[in-house]
Amino acid sequence: DTAVSQTPKYLVTQMGNDKSIKCEQNLGHDTMYWYKQDSKKFLKIMFSYNNKELIINETVPNRFSPKSPDKAHLNLHINSLELGDSAVYFCASSQGIGIQPQHFGDGTRLSIL
Amino acid sequence: QKEVEQNSGPLSVPEGAIASLNCTYSDRGSQSFFWYRQYSGKSPELIMSIYSNGDKEDGRFTAQLNKASQYVSLLIRDSPPSDSATYLCAVNSNAGKSTFGDGTTLTVKP
Repeated sequence: DTAVSQTPKYLVTQMGNDKSIKCEQNLGHDTMYWYKQDSKKFLKIMFSYNNKELIINETVPNRFSPKSPDKAHLNLHINSLELGDSAVYFCASSQGIGIQPQHFGDGTRLSIL
Repeated sequence: QKEVEQNSGPLSVPEGAIASLNCTYSDRGSQSFFWYRQYSGKSPELIMSIYSNGDKEDGRFTAQLNKASQYVSLLIRDSPPSDSATYLCAVNSNAGKSTFGDGTTLTVKP
């Protein structure tokens, strides 16, 4: 059984479009995250939610809007996509805040044409 | 100064050798420390977690933590070529923020 699943795995779209990435975890964790990994492989946290509440929002353009309908799901919607948004986006989950390690999804590779 | 710094790579070792990876962090209040391995095109996977000063061993992997020096390291013994990957150091603050280092790419040569 997949622990943290993201869809889609690949996303190719044009500049200016709006797209969403979905994430679900079946580990019973209460904290979920979105990370961006750019072409240089730097992994940067974007958002973190604990029990559906936003707890971390790292200097991310407001074109990025996370939504957590319940603690097992954390989706990411991106408006007006730009070339610089091309990256791999990873969803992750953990139990609690700050203590336990994170489990990562397989990533969504976003390419902007 | 970066919040989490790893020794610059790439690091190359012969098969069966010991690989030593180092990481320093700036937040003295950090409580949780992790090493993840990431193969090319894959997601990070947890190798080790360490929370208190000293050594922690798990199979071929040993993590060392020194909070006074704000230093955490990972030793990999008897490295096979399949250990070739990027190793990420992650440091968690009490507020729940995970900060990752830029990674050290390890190549184990047969």
